[in-house]
Amino acid sequence: AQSVAQPEDQVNVAEGNPLTVKCTYSVSGNPYLFWYVQYPNRGLQFLLKYITGDNLVKGSYGFEAEFNKSQTSFHLKKPSALVSDSALYFCAVRDMIYSSASKIIFGSGTRLSIRP
Amino acid sequence: KAGVTQTPRYLIKTRGQQVTLSCSPISGHRSVSWYQQTPGQGLQFLFEYFSETQRNKGNFPGRFSGRQFSNSRSEMNVSTLELGDSALYLCASSLGSAPVSYEQYFGPGTRLTVT
Repeated sequence: AQSVAQPEDQVNVAEGNPLTVKCTYSVSGNPYLFWYVQYPNRGLQFLLKYITGDNLVKGSYGFEAEFNKSQTSFHLKKPSALVSDSALYFCAVRDMIYSSASKIIFGSGTRLSIRP
Repeated sequence: KAGVTQTPRYLIKTRGQQVTLSCSPISGHRSVSWYQQTPGQGLQFLFEYFSETQRNKGNFPGRFSGRQFSNSRSEMNVSTLELGDSALYLCASSLGSAPVSYEQYFGPGTRLTVT
């Protein structure tokens, strides 16, 4: 069965510092991996995805994520945090092997708080 | 290009009633998924539709149902509402469905309150 874990409920970072939001996953085959961001009272917005190829994926708003197959991780990173990055971040995974059980599973979310 | 729209945005219902939520995907998108978001359970998958066919279903009781029309618009219905159904219901559209997995574009959600 597919699963995804975001081990940190909240991450606090000072503006200008690098940030990392962690995500680990479990699938039976190769994964499709996604990061989404949710601002207050809004739906989710797509940030980036890993399908295949280069392990470092670049996305919107200066975010990037590194796919690590051996550690089954897909951590979200940004070199220099902005106060406007404060939001709820979700990691999601889908197994490439299609079956009736294959669906997109979202992590529990990590609240990112950037202090000025 | 217009984004995903959901109607209504807010809804208050009484226990035992039923409700229908509507979702219009981005033009050209053929896949629509529905999610329930609550503080306690997070984001939980309800169903996925592609070309009017339900492709996947989450672990929700039969009171939750959905459908997709030929123009890709989708509706979900919840019958015999319970207090625990109070949540933000999110609709997401994408170009296609499995086995190729496209990113999803989410609507603003419908906030359902059951009293």
